[in-house]
Amino acid sequence: NAGVMQNPRHLVRRRGQEARLRCSPMKGHSHVYWYRQLPEEGLKFMVYLQKENIIDESGMPKERFSAEFPKEGPSILRIQQVVRGDSAAYFCASSLGAGGVGEQYFGPGTRLTVT
Amino acid sequence: QQQVKQSPQSLIVQKGGISIINCAYENTAFDYFPWYQQFPGKGPALLIAIRPDVSEKKEGRFTISFNKSAKQFSLHIMDSQPGDSATYFCAASRREGAQKLVFGQGTRLTINP
Repeated sequence: NAGVMQNPRHLVRRRGQEARLRCSPMKGHSHVYWYRQLPEEGLKFMVYLQKENIIDESGMPKERFSAEFPKEGPSILRIQQVVRGDSAAYFCASSLGAGGVGEQYFGPGTRLTVT
Repeated sequence: QQQVKQSPQSLIVQKGGISIINCAYENTAFDYFPWYQQFPGKGPALLIAIRPDVSEKKEGRFTISFNKSAKQFSLHIMDSQPGDSATYFCAASRREGAQKLVFGQGTRLTINP
C-alpha cells in the first residue's frame, strides 16, 4: 500500500535551467495538490489538480511555473528558467476525494537547490 | 482572511509533560482543521483532524480542542515523549470548492528526556 511518491528526492539545477518534479498519488486517489516550503517556514499552496484538469492555481507564480496531471502517469510540476529564489522543498499531496471528503496525504518532497 | 496564525514558534517540554500548541484563524468559511507532524527531511504526516461540529477530538495521546466562537483550536500532546520531537503544523481548509490547505507557520517541539 504505497503512499504518495515523489521523485527526484533531491534536484540541483543551475540558474536558467528547467526543473521537473514528479508526483504519483496514492492508489485510488485522483486529487493532487502541490505545496512549497521555504526554509523555516510553513507550507504554501501552489496548485490543485484532478486528472487532466487544473482546479485551482491561485498559488502558482504567474510566470515560469506550470503543472499538469495527465490521464496516464504522474503529476508534473515544471519550473522553467529557475532562479535562486526557487530553492525550496516541494511537496505533493493526494486525496481520495475533495478536501472534506478525503484527507490530504503528503509525499516525502523534492528538495530543489538552484546554484 | 486566509491566514492561520500558530504559536509558539518553538516549545521545549520535559518528558512526560503536556505540550500545547495554539492556532487561530479568521476565515469563518473554514470547516476542516488538521494537524500535521513533520520530521527533518520528511513530508508532513497527518496526525489528527477536527471539524467544527465538535469541540474536542482525542486519538491516543493527541487531543484537538476547538473553540468555534473564538476561532481558535489547539493541539495537546499528553505524556510527551522524546520521539514526539518534530515540527507541528496546524492547517485549515474549506470543504466546498478548492480544498487547499492553509498552514500555520509551524512549531518546533523539543521533548527533553
